[in-house]
Amino acid sequence: DVVMSQSPLSLPVTLGQPASISCRSSQSLVHSDGKTYLNWFQQRPGQSPRRLIYQVSNRDSGVPDRFSGSGSGTDFTLKISRVEAEDVAIYYCMQSTHWPPYTFGQGTKLEIK
Amino acid sequence: EVQLVESGGDLVQPGGSLRLSCAASGFTFSSHRMHWVRQVPGKGLVWVSRINGDGSITDYADSVKGRFTISRDNAKNTVYLQMNGLRVEDTAVYYCVRDSATFDYWGQGTLVTVSS
Repeated sequence: DVVMSQSPLSLPVTLGQPASISCRSSQSLVHSDGKTYLNWFQQRPGQSPRRLIYQVSNRDSGVPDRFSGSGSGTDFTLKISRVEAEDVAIYYCMQSTHWPPYTFGQGTKLEIK
Repeated sequence: EVQLVESGGDLVQPGGSLRLSCAASGFTFSSHRMHWVRQVPGKGLVWVSRINGDGSITDYADSVKGRFTISRDNAKNTVYLQMNGLRVEDTAVYYCVRDSATFDYWGQGTLVTVSS
């Protein structure tokens, strides 16, 4: 199984400041079709998860452009250019290249400092 | 508008059974793989099971293989998760998830509690 490792697990950020979350996989997430199936999800308190980013860097409809995804191979990053209060949530990376099983990172809890 | 509405969660004793349902609307249901993902309250997300569009292919996490069965009724736009031999460690919120370029829509979840 592919192990997904996120860091940090806790991320205190001042409003208006940038934030960055790292996600590493135990093997390359490049699929035989050439695509990389690395996704990011946001789970606000008391809510279901919501997909933010798919295939490394494609933002979902309605996701603010302050969110961006990057990376390749086994190393990926989710960046928030300027953190807003509504960004308080747990963020998960997930790989869907090598399945089953689909695997998630442990989650990174973003809070306002 | 895509909607996924889970139901069937309940309190059940260890060794018991439960069937979860997920009613889908707002999209062509039979064209999409569907998944169940669970989350122990306060913990992370864990993939449980997957079914393809016509129901002919299914996959399971090792932790539930042989105990859980995923199925779908495309005429009713509903996906099911039959859970047998429930264990305390199966206690979680179970989410129904649509797969379109991966996990794009999630339901609100239904809570399954396994306890004596």
